[in-house]
Amino acid sequence: DAGVTQSPTHLIKTRGQHVTLRCSPISGHKSVSWYQQVLGQGPQFIFQYYEKEERGRGNFPDRFSARQFPNYSSELNVNALLLGDSALYLCASSLDGGNTEAFFGQGTRLTVV
Amino acid sequence: GESVGLHLPTLSVQEGDNSIINCAYSNSASDYFIWYKQESGKGPQFIIDIRSNMDKRQGQRVTVLLNKTVKHLSLQIAATQPGDSAVYFCAETVNDYKLSFGAGTTVTVRA
Repeated sequence: DAGVTQSPTHLIKTRGQHVTLRCSPISGHKSVSWYQQVLGQGPQFIFQYYEKEERGRGNFPDRFSARQFPNYSSELNVNALLLGDSALYLCASSLDGGNTEAFFGQGTRLTVV
Repeated sequence: GESVGLHLPTLSVQEGDNSIINCAYSNSASDYFIWYKQESGKGPQFIIDIRSNMDKRQGQRVTVLLNKTVKHLSLQIAATQPGDSAVYFCAETVNDYKLSFGAGTTVTVRA
């Protein structure tokens, strides 16, 4: 069985540009969460989606948005990129997003120059 | 600030010894905890979880202990191997939908 898959694995963008990151959850999982991990720190929660609805949002500006599709895959969009957005963006998949096991993908390494 | 933190940022362990990684949390309402292992260039890998109605749970070579009185969580790794070298994170659920992570402990296994 495939685990959580994210694309692309690496990305370089210029300040002010827009980026779209993609995630496919584990088959049968209906919840996808997004996290940002800056070098040397633990992941920080950005969004959670369950059954295509936003369930929660972390302390991130409106430049960050996401959506979940009928097949439960998800996109994270970031507008007007800043240098500080450089990080590893992680997607986590779980059955229902509650207190259940959450499995992470390998992440997308975003570098903003 | 973050509600979950680890006592020590680094831990050096002799191969074959047991490792103990500690974590303190501040949210007394948290009811679900997970330990993750993250190797360089990879996403966090689920190791073991525990719910607040338990104080101990065992997996393969790993044991998680939860002390709700002092809000402390620990991960014990038996017979540490070189492949155990990684950064270890504890995480707690907040509001049932998000994981709150600490900064991590880097474990280095000496041959």
